[in-house]
Amino acid sequence: RKEVEQDPGPFNVPEGATVAFNCTYSNSASQSFFWYRQDCRKEPKLLMSVYSSGNEDGRFTAQLNRASQYISLLIRDSKLSDSATYLCVVTRNNAGNMLTFGGGTRLMVKP
Amino acid sequence: DAGVTQSPTHLIKTRGQQVTLRCSPKSGHDTVSWYQQALGQGPQFIFQYYEEEERQRGNFPDRFSGHQFPNYSSELNVNALLLGDSALYLCASSLTGAADTEAFFGQGTRLTVV
Repeated sequence: RKEVEQDPGPFNVPEGATVAFNCTYSNSASQSFFWYRQDCRKEPKLLMSVYSSGNEDGRFTAQLNRASQYISLLIRDSKLSDSATYLCVVTRNNAGNMLTFGGGTRLMVKP
Repeated sequence: DAGVTQSPTHLIKTRGQQVTLRCSPKSGHDTVSWYQQALGQGPQFIFQYYEEEERQRGNFPDRFSGHQFPNYSSELNVNALLLGDSALYLCASSLTGAADTEAFFGQGTRLTVV
């Protein structure tokens, strides 16, 4: 079983739609949680950190449920430019800056 | 302020050959991590260098080795290349001990083994 699991998609949604991605992690020692965005043939870039209290950045909302070991990302009012692969990432308490990635969820926003 | 830079951007090698990839971290960063990303998958951690030593290592064979120089730049070496080593190799830099430990990625080196 992979340490971080995501539905690979693709999620095909129309512009303006709301879409949600989920991610589960297996290591209870996981400490920090992130969503990264990766455009085709480009490097991953940090989208947002994820906190138990939930956090919002414009149209993006991330949530962490430590009891269920579950992370979510909600995108409201989807734009064509949101089309990308979204990577769920965790770090462990004793692992410094080592990032453990999920396989990614591909989003395609259509006109 | 230069971000993370990697060279070369693309590389084609033959099975059995050896390859060296290079990474310069973001200014002010002291820690370099290397990741392998196969097509359609998420990046997989290879190893991390700090203070010129390998600090952590992922589940990769000894054919994968690295080095960090006094200026914090780093090299990834892969010996006896296999077809399965074809991937995007990403370097990420960060600052150990800082409150903000965000990792910044370079654009990657796309290695094709034929």
